[in-house]
Amino acid sequence: AQSVSQHNHHVILSEAASLELGCNYSYGGTVNLFWYVQYPGQHLQLLLKYFSGDPLVKGIKGFEAEFIKSKFSFNLRKPSVQWSDTAEYFCAASTGYSSASKIIFGSGTRLSIRP
Amino acid sequence: EPEVTQTPSHQVTQMGQEVILRCVPISNHLYFYWYRQILGQKVEFLVSFYNNEISEKSEIFDDQFSVERPDGSNFTLKIRSTKLEDSAMYFCASSDGQLYSNQPQHFGDGTRLSIL
Repeated sequence: AQSVSQHNHHVILSEAASLELGCNYSYGGTVNLFWYVQYPGQHLQLLLKYFSGDPLVKGIKGFEAEFIKSKFSFNLRKPSVQWSDTAEYFCAASTGYSSASKIIFGSGTRLSIRP
Repeated sequence: EPEVTQTPSHQVTQMGQEVILRCVPISNHLYFYWYRQILGQKVEFLVSFYNNEISEKSEIFDDQFSVERPDGSNFTLKIRSTKLEDSAMYFCASSDGQLYSNQPQHFGDGTRLSIL
């Protein structure tokens, strides 16, 4: 069955620290990958997406992610976090060559930033 | 930028009552979805809808749930007889579904459903 795994449930960092959140997926074919952020009490916001092409994807707010096909991974990175990055981060995946198929979400990683 | 809009933002309903959640997808999109997020948990797929019929549904989407596109703009999720465990945030999404467009699904702000 298709699945997305996020191994870090809660990450606590100080401001200016570097961030890497892990994400692994299990899909056999063409995969599309996403990172969403959910600030406390708010809706989902797309941080970045990968459909094809350059495996290093840059998103909003200084985030980037790298698609490593051989490792089935799509880790999220940011070189220097800010207090405002405190949120829940969801890795997600879908299959195929369009956005038509359902999105499967990981269980989320809660990021807490100490000021 | 066009948005997916959902109403109401918060719905409070007595257990056993019917509830209808409403969504207006982006106008040129052809694929529509409902997802839900129980408090503190991950977002789960419920159902996808294309060409006026369900294209895929999860095991969560049982006979108590139904979806409809009653006119050219709205997309609704109905829960016939609500249960306490239906309390969640419900997200509507839409996509153009075009091959190689590299456009993601667009999500609405969600409807928080509280069952008393």
